[in-house]
Amino acid sequence: EDKVVQSPLSLVVHEGDTVTLNCSYEVTNFRSLLWYKQEKKAPTFLFMLTSSGIEKKSGRLSSILDKKELFSILNITATQTGDSAVYLCASSNGNQFYFGTGTSLTVIP
Amino acid sequence: EAQVTQNPRYLITVTGKKLTVTCSQNMNHEYMSWYRQDPGLGLRQIYYSMNVEVTDKGDVPEGYKVSRKEKRNFPLILESPSPNQTSLYFCASSWTGSYNEQFFGPGTRLTVL
Repeated sequence: EDKVVQSPLSLVVHEGDTVTLNCSYEVTNFRSLLWYKQEKKAPTFLFMLTSSGIEKKSGRLSSILDKKELFSILNITATQTGDSAVYLCASSNGNQFYFGTGTSLTVIP
Repeated sequence: EAQVTQNPRYLITVTGKKLTVTCSQNMNHEYMSWYRQDPGLGLRQIYYSMNVEVTDKGDVPEGYKVSRKEKRNFPLILESPSPNQTSLYFCASSWTGSYNEQFFGPGTRLTVL
């Protein structure tokens, strides 16, 4: 059964902290791993990873994929209150997309 | 503006009354998909379409129908809605299914009484 598992389920941090969100996947014929941010509305795209070991970076956010161990991490440095959201991880086999249940991040001022 | 639109945004209906949720994209994307999002279960794929006249089941297709007669439109049909179909529904599109990000519509909150 294809699946994506995210951890932790929720996280509460203070502004300025660094957080690491985890995503493990088991998807037959894996093609890509995607991260989204959802703030009480539609998910918005953050990163797509297809190759192991190559870090994708956008400002304070970065992500990396390990295709041997079947996991990905999303790092957020110097967190801000605007980073509070649910972060979704998804994996695709080219036809279907499998989403994890998300990690709810709350950043306290 | 590049976007995915869904209508209606909110709908309250009764068991058994057929309904259609429309989805349209203006990016000429080949791939379109429907998801439902439920607390604790995350986003689950209902149906997807690789191109016009090509549709396939996702993980939770029971009780739903779709059609893809034009590239831009991908309506979701509930022939006989039941309360367990109360959920938040998202339509999404991308260039292809493989190596492209999906753009999500704003969501449709459906309540079936």
